[in-house]
Parts: sequence; C-alpha cells; structure tokens
Amino acid sequence: ILNVEQSPQSLHVQEGDSTNFTCSFPSSNFYALHWYRWETAKSPEALFVMTLNGDEKKKGRISATLNTKEGYSYLYIKGSQPEDSATYLCAREAAGNKLTFGGGTRVLVKP
Amino acid sequence: GAVVSQHPSWVICKSGTSVKIECRSLDFQATTMFWYRQFPKQSLMLMATSNEGSKATYEQGVEKDKFLINHASLTLSTLTVTSAHPEDSSFYICSAAKGVGYTFGSGTRLTVV
Repeated sequence: ILNVEQSPQSLHVQEGDSTNFTCSFPSSNFYALHWYRWETAKSPEALFVMTLNGDEKKKGRISATLNTKEGYSYLYIKGSQPEDSATYLCAREAAGNKLTFGGGTRVLVKP
Repeated sequence: GAVVSQHPSWVICKSGTSVKIECRSLDFQATTMFWYRQFPKQSLMLMATSNEGSKATYEQGVEKDKFLINHASLTLSTLTVTSAHPEDSSFYICSAAKGVGYTFGSGTRLTVV
C-alpha cells in the first residue's frame, strides 16, 4: 500500500444499527494513526490518536482498532444515531509530523 | 479545548488578484502550522509547513512564490494566494499541532473567476 485509503467511500446506515469502515496505510515509517470526524462547514474533530500495534480506543459509541504490522485501522460506530452522520477521515502520521489523509468515509444515518 | 479560527470561510476573487487566508490559534500557542488543500473528490493534501519566525517548508509541486506563507507570531499564520487563477479554486484548511494531535480550522472555499 502506497497511499492512505479508506473504504467504503460512503455508506448509509439505519438508525440503531452498528457499522464499521476501514483505513489502510503504508506500515513503513509509521508514527501514529489519527481519526477525525468532519461535519460540513465545521472543523474536523479529533476522535483518536493511536500509535501502538493492537491499540484499541473508545469514545462513547465510537471505537477504533489499529494494526500497524499489516497497515490498517477499523472505526466502529455502535447503535448509529443521526448525529453520527459526518465524514470520517483517517490520517497516517510519519516522522516529521506530516499527515497523509485518506479520502474519507461519508456516513449517513437514516432515521 | 484548542481552537483554530480560520477566515474567511469562503471567498470569490477575480483572476489575477491575491487572496489572504488567516488562521489564528485562540487559546494556545502554535509553533507549527500546516496548510492543506482539497480538490473535489480528492483527499486533503499537505501544501506547506510553517514555523513561527522562519521560512515555510513547501511540499513538492507547491509553488512557494504563488502560495506565500507568513507565520510571524505564535498565534497567527497566513496563506496568500498570489495572482490567483481558476485552477487555484479549491478548499484550503490549516491545522496546528497541539499535544499529540492536531487542531484544524474550518477551512476556506476559494473560487477564482
């Protein structure tokens, strides 16, 4: 993997359902993996910063896992609510503090 | 929490004119700020890294004479798009390092007509 890739690009979730999506990244020269939640016309909101292989982090109904050896991270939303509708960005941080972003996963939660 | 205020949120300018975008860290000192742009259906791409009191470092392919970055204080960084052309129309967003993470502005939509 040469770039940071997120899949799917978009998904529709029924309110109350759980969902997850993927961020794949180059595992070489890895420093940290960042997840952001981005609503239109607002600033991206930091969700998680993960550095160690096997890291799992949780914030309310949202959680994330990290596998640095194979270069992927999953973000999970449990019991989706309409307010979870947003674009979720992941970014790989390499040495030198440079972030490389994926294209984002746009989540739409239907009431 | 840490807040970065970015202005303007959108701007329309005529081809050949210059546009300045400001990013201010409101409640913390930002030694380093990053400038990104995003073209439609593409990812955020790092343009340059600005350090307070020194010259910015530009990514490959970004013209430093066209995208002037000034980081004269610990709370303010500016990006000036000089002699803007329609191909410079894009979404520009800044971020500042804060602790182990980064705080972003809300972005500026630039349209050059």
